[in-house]
Amino acid sequence: DTAVSQTPKYLVTQMGNDKSIKCEQNLGHDTMYWYKQDSKKFLKIMFSYNNKELIINETVPNRFSPKSPDKAHLNLHINSLELGDSAVYFCASSRAETASYEQYFGPGTRLTVT
Amino acid sequence: AQSVTQLDSQVPVFEEAPVELRCNYSSSVSVYLFWYVQYPNQGLQLLLKYLSGSTLVKGINGFEAEFNKSQTSFHLRKPSVHISDTAEYFCAVRGRGYQKVTFGTGTKLQVIP
Repeated sequence: DTAVSQTPKYLVTQMGNDKSIKCEQNLGHDTMYWYKQDSKKFLKIMFSYNNKELIINETVPNRFSPKSPDKAHLNLHINSLELGDSAVYFCASSRAETASYEQYFGPGTRLTVT
Repeated sequence: AQSVTQLDSQVPVFEEAPVELRCNYSSSVSVYLFWYVQYPNQGLQLLLKYLSGSTLVKGINGFEAEFNKSQTSFHLRKPSVHISDTAEYFCAVRGRGYQKVTFGTGTKLQVIP
């Protein structure tokens, strides 16, 4: 059983397009995250949701919009894609946003904007 | 505010040799500390964590780390590495009461046969 899954695994698209990445977790966790990992492997948090409520919103262009239809899903929609959006995007989940619990990561979505 | 510094971007080591990956953190409050491993083309996986109590923490795959509050460090060690340990290793910190986990820039461990 996959704990945190993301689709698609690879996404190649052109500048200016709009795309979505989906994330689902079957761990019963109440908090989910989106991270961006650049080509130098630097990992930066973008958003976090707890029970469908946005709790972390880092300095991210408003072209990025997260949506959490329920506790088990957190999707990321990106409008007007730019070359600099090329990266690997990771979804993660944890049991509680203020506790010490570790995060469980998905396999990542490699986005390439041409 | 909190931050993590991993001074070594790459660490080459021969198979069966010991290794230490360094991590220093900064925080205005008490912290939880983590080490994650990322194998090529995969997501991150927890190796070990320090929450409280004993400063020596043992994790999976024979790794351990020691929390040193006075030196604000949480170095990762393994007495004998295998080829399969080749991966990127991330140190992370979460301040108690904070919602955000801050990751270091990663250390690439290259095990040489």
